Amino acid sequence: QLQLQESGPRLVKPSETLSLTCTVSGGSISSPNYYWGWIRQPPEKGLEWIGTISYSGTTYFNPSLKSRVTISVDTSTNQLSLNQSSVIAADTAVYFCARLNSEWFGGGRFDYWGQGTLVTVSS
Amino acid sequence: DIQMTQSPSTLSASVGDRVTITCRASQSISSWLAWYQQKPGKAPKLLIYKASSLESGVPSRFSGSGSGTEFTLAISSLQPDDFATYYCQQYNTYSMTFGQGTKVEIK
Repeated sequence: QLQLQESGPRLVKPSETLSLTCTVSGGSISSPNYYWGWIRQPPEKGLEWIGTISYSGTTYFNPSLKSRVTISVDTSTNQLSLNQSSVIAADTAVYFCARLNSEWFGGGRFDYWGQGTLVTVSS
Repeated sequence: DIQMTQSPSTLSASVGDRVTITCRASQSISSWLAWYQQKPGKAPKLLIYKASSLESGVPSRFSGSGSGTEFTLAISSLQPDDFATYYCQQYNTYSMTFGQGTKVEIK
């Protein structure tokens, strides 16, 4: 059974960089039919897609976050990473990693999710 | 960006009721739409993809329909486990967007 687990600091200071890792187990991050993504959810609010990456490193980002976000994949460790720079209080959210089951190049549904990790931006 | 608008925002219903949730896209997305269920403190769970395809393991009381700009999620007979928040997600473009959510509450 595929499992995803987010890890990283739970508290980040304003203007600093948020860094999270997602470890994938029970399957390979290099599977060609799948992409991998990050989604966030501010407290008591809805879901916001952050970005998506293929195993080969092709990336797509939410235009509203693109200037501050990088996503990478490490096939040797079966992990993907999120870095979000210059964070502000509004970046406080539960951050989820998820597998995107690709129905067309780069697009699809998220069929497996990590449990999510709450990251708080505060001094 | 394609905007996704769900209605209603909140829905009060009883066990056994048939409920429907609507999701409208700001432009045509063909059938590139998924529905998710989320319970408090948990990750979303995929229910429906490509507008009407039922994800493996999801009860058949859930169904999806629609194409273009208007879509519907239906629950044929609401069960206690179904009280949750539901989100639609479009993936017609590389820039995916979610609806704002519909909370299904106990009446």
